[in-house]
Amino acid sequence: GDSVTQMEGPVTLSEEAFLTINCTYTATGYPSLFWYVQYPGEGLQLLLKATKADDKGSNKGFEATYRKETTSFHLEKGSVQVSDSAVYFCALDQTDSWGKLQFGAGTQVVVTP
Amino acid sequence: EPEVTQTPSHQVTQMGQEVILRCVPISNHLYFYWYRQILGQKVEFLVSFYNNEISEKSEIFDDQFSVERPDGSNFTLKIRSTKLEDSAMYFCASMRTGVEQYFGPGTRLTVT
Repeated sequence: GDSVTQMEGPVTLSEEAFLTINCTYTATGYPSLFWYVQYPGEGLQLLLKATKADDKGSNKGFEATYRKETTSFHLEKGSVQVSDSAVYFCALDQTDSWGKLQFGAGTQVVVTP
Repeated sequence: EPEVTQTPSHQVTQMGQEVILRCVPISNHLYFYWYRQILGQKVEFLVSFYNNEISEKSEIFDDQFSVERPDGSNFTLKIRSTKLEDSAMYFCASMRTGVEQYFGPGTRLTVT
């Protein structure tokens, strides 16, 4: 079945460091791919998405490119801030699945001043 | 900005009791979802709901679970006879069309 694997955390970084969170997926067909973020005490918020191969999603300085050849959707940010401290979830959605999101385990990111 | 709301934020119940978790989706949305996250584990899909009926459900969503949209604004998840392993954070989500789901802040359910 479909699945999402993302790197384990916590990832601890200093402010202004470069962030990469790896995400790979297993799926039949052509799923849509997402990154969601969960700030402490809050719900999941959509950070960015890509719906087809080679699409690049971007938001708030974060980027991820849908790579079908490597079945990956790695999240990157060039210069993190303390306010980026959160849990990041990679997810996929098959287009014929009524929006059933399948999530990775989540990666906690801690950014220190 | 419209948002999905959930009540209560934390529910404590005894094993075997019934609980109802409530959600108010964004008003013009058409698709509704429940997910859960057991502490330390993945967010898992439970059920999707469209046009007043279940469109898809996971193997977790057995006969003890039910969903309802009783009045056109609320969307509820009922667990008939709670078990210890039902302790989790439950998230409601809604979507108008397309791919972007909006999540609520979650209800933490603790079964003792």
